[in-house]
Amino acid sequence: ILNVEQSPQSLHVQEGDSTNFTCSFPSSNFYALHWYRWETAKSPEALFVMTLNGDEKKKGRISATLNTKEGYSYLYIKGSQPEDSATYLCASDNQAGTALIFGKGTTLSVSS
Amino acid sequence: KAGVTQTPRYLIKTRGQQVTLSCSPISGHRSVSWYQQTPGQGLQFLFEYFSETQRNKGNFPGRFSGRQFSNSRSEMNVSTLELGDSALYLCASSLGDSTNVARELFFGEGSRLTVL
Repeated sequence: ILNVEQSPQSLHVQEGDSTNFTCSFPSSNFYALHWYRWETAKSPEALFVMTLNGDEKKKGRISATLNTKEGYSYLYIKGSQPEDSATYLCASDNQAGTALIFGKGTTLSVSS
Repeated sequence: KAGVTQTPRYLIKTRGQQVTLSCSPISGHRSVSWYQQTPGQGLQFLFEYFSETQRNKGNFPGRFSGRQFSNSRSEMNVSTLELGDSALYLCASSLGDSTNVARELFFGEGSRLTVL
Protein backbone atom coordinates (compact mmCIF):
# COMPACT_ATOMS: atom_id res chain seq x y z
CA ILE A 1 0.00 0.00 0.00
CA LEU A 2 1.34 3.40 -1.00
CA ASN A 3 1.75 6.07 1.65
CA VAL A 4 2.29 9.63 0.44
CA GLU A 5 3.22 12.12 3.15
CA GLN A 6 3.29 15.90 2.88
CA SER A 7 4.77 18.43 5.27
CA PRO A 8 4.09 20.81 6.74
CA GLN A 9 0.34 20.36 7.02
CA SER A 10 -0.13 24.12 6.84
CA LEU A 11 1.89 27.29 6.88
CA HIS A 12 1.35 31.01 6.90
CA VAL A 13 3.79 33.40 5.23
CA GLN A 14 3.96 37.08 4.41
CA GLU A 15 3.76 38.42 0.89
CA GLY A 16 7.19 38.31 -0.68
CA ASP A 17 8.45 35.39 1.41
CA SER A 18 9.77 32.32 -0.34
CA THR A 19 8.63 28.94 0.92
CA ASN A 20 8.89 25.25 0.22
CA PHE A 21 7.04 22.06 1.08
CA THR A 22 7.92 18.40 1.01
CA CYS A 23 6.26 15.34 -0.46
CA SER A 24 7.60 11.90 0.40
CA PHE A 25 6.50 8.78 -1.41
CA PRO A 26 7.53 5.13 -1.71
CA SER A 27 10.43 4.92 -4.13
CA SER A 28 9.72 1.35 -5.19
CA ASN A 29 7.87 0.92 -8.49
CA PHE A 30 7.97 4.68 -9.03
CA TYR A 31 6.36 5.89 -12.23
CA ALA A 32 5.48 9.58 -11.81
CA LEU A 33 4.93 12.28 -9.21
CA HIS A 34 2.20 14.87 -9.64
CA TRP A 35 1.70 18.26 -7.97
CA TYR A 36 -1.72 19.92 -7.91
CA ARG A 37 -2.89 23.27 -6.61
CA TRP A 38 -6.34 23.46 -5.06
CA GLU A 39 -7.76 26.90 -4.44
CA THR A 40 -10.80 27.34 -2.24
CA ALA A 41 -14.09 26.83 -4.08
CA LYS A 42 -12.28 25.66 -7.21
CA SER A 43 -11.09 22.37 -8.66
CA PRO A 44 -7.59 20.98 -8.13
CA GLU A 45 -5.38 21.90 -11.08
CA ALA A 46 -2.20 20.17 -12.17
CA LEU A 47 1.06 22.06 -11.69
CA PHE A 48 3.65 19.46 -12.64
CA VAL A 49 3.99 15.83 -13.63
CA MET A 50 7.51 14.59 -13.01
CA THR A 51 9.11 11.28 -13.88
CA LEU A 52 12.90 11.55 -14.00
CA ASN A 53 15.20 11.44 -11.00
CA GLY A 54 16.82 14.84 -10.58
CA ASP A 55 14.17 16.51 -12.71
CA GLU A 56 13.32 20.11 -11.98
CA LYS A 57 10.27 21.84 -13.38
CA LYS A 58 9.27 25.49 -13.23
CA LYS A 59 6.11 27.46 -13.85
CA GLY A 60 6.49 31.15 -13.13
CA ARG A 61 7.49 31.56 -9.49
CA ILE A 62 6.77 27.91 -8.66
CA SER A 63 9.26 25.12 -9.15
CA ALA A 64 9.59 21.50 -8.10
CA THR A 65 12.38 18.97 -7.79
CA LEU A 66 12.27 15.21 -7.73
CA ASN A 67 14.43 12.54 -6.06
CA THR A 68 13.11 9.13 -6.99
CA LYS A 69 15.90 7.18 -5.30
CA GLU A 70 15.08 8.52 -1.84
CA GLY A 71 11.41 9.15 -2.55
CA TYR A 72 10.86 12.87 -2.09
CA SER A 73 9.90 15.97 -4.02
CA TYR A 74 10.11 19.62 -3.02
CA LEU A 75 7.80 22.39 -4.21
CA TYR A 76 9.22 25.91 -4.02
CA ILE A 77 7.36 29.20 -4.28
CA LYS A 78 9.52 32.27 -4.75
CA GLY A 79 8.18 35.62 -3.58
CA SER A 80 4.78 34.34 -2.38
CA GLN A 81 1.73 36.36 -3.36
CA PRO A 82 -1.76 36.27 -1.81
CA GLU A 83 -3.04 34.51 -4.93
CA ASP A 84 -0.69 31.61 -4.12
CA SER A 85 -2.89 30.81 -1.12
CA ALA A 86 -4.17 27.29 -1.75
CA THR A 87 -3.73 23.68 -0.77
CA TYR A 88 -0.89 21.98 -2.63
CA LEU A 89 -1.33 18.27 -3.20
CA CYS A 90 1.18 15.75 -4.38
CA ALA A 91 0.24 12.38 -5.79
CA SER A 92 2.30 9.29 -6.48
CA ASP A 93 1.80 7.16 -9.53
CA ASN A 94 3.52 3.86 -8.84
CA GLN A 95 3.10 2.27 -12.22
CA ALA A 96 1.19 2.68 -15.39
CA GLY A 97 -2.42 1.71 -15.11
CA THR A 98 -2.84 2.15 -11.37
CA ALA A 99 -4.55 4.97 -9.50
CA LEU A 100 -2.84 8.12 -8.30
CA ILE A 101 -2.46 8.15 -4.53
CA PHE A 102 -2.64 11.60 -2.95
CA GLY A 103 -1.07 13.05 0.16
CA LYS A 104 -3.18 15.13 2.54
CA GLY A 105 -1.78 18.36 1.19
CA THR A 106 -0.03 21.47 2.47
CA THR A 107 -2.29 24.49 2.95
CA LEU A 108 -0.51 27.76 2.28
CA SER A 109 -1.85 31.11 3.40
CA VAL A 110 -0.12 34.26 2.18
CA SER A 111 -0.86 37.56 3.89
CA SER A 112 -0.44 40.90 2.17
CA LYS B 1 -13.00 23.25 -24.30
CA ALA B 2 -15.51 22.42 -21.59
CA GLY B 3 -14.10 21.17 -18.30
CA VAL B 4 -15.20 18.31 -16.12
CA THR B 5 -18.78 18.76 -14.99
CA GLN B 6 -20.22 17.24 -11.86
CA THR B 7 -23.86 17.21 -10.82
CA PRO B 8 -25.39 17.88 -8.46
CA ARG B 9 -23.04 20.30 -6.75
CA TYR B 10 -24.73 20.05 -3.37
CA LEU B 11 -27.16 17.57 -1.92
CA ILE B 12 -28.56 16.57 1.42
CA LYS B 13 -29.71 13.04 2.19
CA THR B 14 -30.71 11.12 5.28
CA ARG B 15 -29.21 7.92 6.63
CA GLY B 16 -30.31 4.83 4.77
CA GLN B 17 -31.04 6.63 1.52
CA GLN B 18 -29.02 6.21 -1.62
CA VAL B 19 -27.45 8.81 -3.88
CA THR B 20 -26.22 8.96 -7.46
CA LEU B 21 -23.60 11.45 -8.58
CA SER B 22 -22.80 12.22 -12.17
CA CYS B 23 -19.60 13.23 -13.93
CA SER B 24 -19.12 14.36 -17.52
CA PRO B 25 -15.44 14.25 -18.49
CA ILE B 26 -13.57 16.46 -20.89
CA SER B 27 -14.31 15.52 -24.47
CA GLY B 28 -11.88 12.86 -25.64
CA HIS B 29 -10.97 11.69 -22.14
CA ARG B 30 -11.67 8.00 -21.64
CA SER B 31 -10.72 7.63 -18.00
CA VAL B 32 -12.81 8.85 -15.08
CA SER B 33 -11.66 8.55 -11.47
CA TRP B 34 -13.62 9.25 -8.33
CA TYR B 35 -12.18 10.51 -5.05
CA GLN B 36 -13.68 11.21 -1.64
CA GLN B 37 -12.44 14.05 0.51
CA THR B 38 -13.36 14.37 4.18
CA PRO B 39 -11.98 16.86 6.74
CA GLY B 40 -8.49 15.90 7.82
CA GLN B 41 -8.12 13.29 5.11
CA GLY B 42 -6.53 13.53 1.74
CA LEU B 43 -8.25 12.56 -1.42
CA GLN B 44 -9.21 8.92 -0.96
CA PHE B 45 -9.39 6.96 -4.19
CA LEU B 46 -12.72 5.26 -4.86
CA PHE B 47 -12.46 3.79 -8.35
CA GLU B 48 -11.40 4.45 -11.91
CA TYR B 49 -13.26 3.61 -15.08
CA PHE B 50 -11.70 3.37 -18.51
CA SER B 51 -13.67 2.55 -21.63
CA GLU B 52 -16.68 1.44 -19.57
CA THR B 53 -14.63 -0.98 -17.44
CA GLN B 54 -13.58 -0.55 -13.85
CA ARG B 55 -9.80 -0.49 -14.06
CA ASN B 56 -8.89 0.23 -10.44
CA LYS B 57 -10.73 0.12 -7.15
CA GLY B 58 -9.94 1.68 -3.81
CA ASN B 59 -10.59 0.34 -0.35
CA PHE B 60 -14.23 1.30 0.08
CA PRO B 61 -17.18 -0.94 1.03
CA GLY B 62 -19.48 -2.41 -1.57
CA ARG B 63 -22.06 0.31 -0.87
CA PHE B 64 -19.96 2.46 -3.17
CA SER B 65 -20.31 1.57 -6.81
CA GLY B 66 -19.93 3.20 -10.16
CA ARG B 67 -20.25 2.78 -13.86
CA GLN B 68 -19.19 4.42 -17.07
CA PHE B 69 -21.20 4.85 -20.21
CA SER B 70 -20.12 4.61 -23.83
CA ASN B 71 -19.79 8.41 -24.04
CA SER B 72 -17.34 8.23 -21.06
CA ARG B 73 -19.79 9.90 -18.68
CA SER B 74 -19.66 8.24 -15.29
CA GLU B 75 -21.92 7.85 -12.31
CA MET B 76 -21.20 6.75 -8.80
CA ASN B 77 -23.78 5.44 -6.41
CA VAL B 78 -23.72 5.16 -2.65
CA SER B 79 -26.40 2.99 -1.10
CA THR B 80 -27.57 2.83 2.50
CA LEU B 81 -25.98 6.15 3.34
CA GLU B 82 -24.18 6.59 6.64
CA LEU B 83 -23.28 9.80 8.47
CA GLY B 84 -19.61 9.15 7.64
CA ASP B 85 -20.36 9.33 3.93
CA SER B 86 -20.72 13.09 4.24
CA ALA B 87 -17.90 14.37 2.06
CA LEU B 88 -16.86 16.14 -1.08
CA TYR B 89 -16.82 13.71 -3.98
CA LEU B 90 -14.47 14.70 -6.76
CA CYS B 91 -14.43 13.31 -10.23
CA ALA B 92 -11.37 13.58 -12.45
CA SER B 93 -10.88 12.71 -16.07
CA SER B 94 -7.78 11.95 -18.09
CA LEU B 95 -6.83 10.63 -21.49
CA GLY B 96 -6.29 7.35 -19.74
CA ASP B 97 -3.50 5.66 -21.62
CA SER B 98 -0.25 4.77 -19.92
CA THR B 99 1.99 7.77 -20.65
CA ASN B 100 2.57 9.99 -17.66
CA VAL B 101 1.28 13.08 -19.43
CA ALA B 102 -1.85 11.25 -20.30
CA ARG B 103 -2.33 10.44 -16.62
CA GLU B 104 -2.63 14.13 -15.64
CA LEU B 105 -5.98 14.47 -13.95
CA PHE B 106 -8.52 17.20 -14.70
CA PHE B 107 -10.91 17.64 -11.81
CA GLY B 108 -14.48 18.77 -11.53
CA GLU B 109 -15.62 21.09 -8.76
CA GLY B 110 -17.10 18.23 -6.81
CA SER B 111 -20.41 17.16 -5.35
CA ARG B 112 -20.78 17.97 -1.67
CA LEU B 113 -22.91 15.37 0.05
CA THR B 114 -24.34 15.90 3.50
CA VAL B 115 -25.93 12.94 5.25
CA LEU B 116 -28.23 13.75 8.16
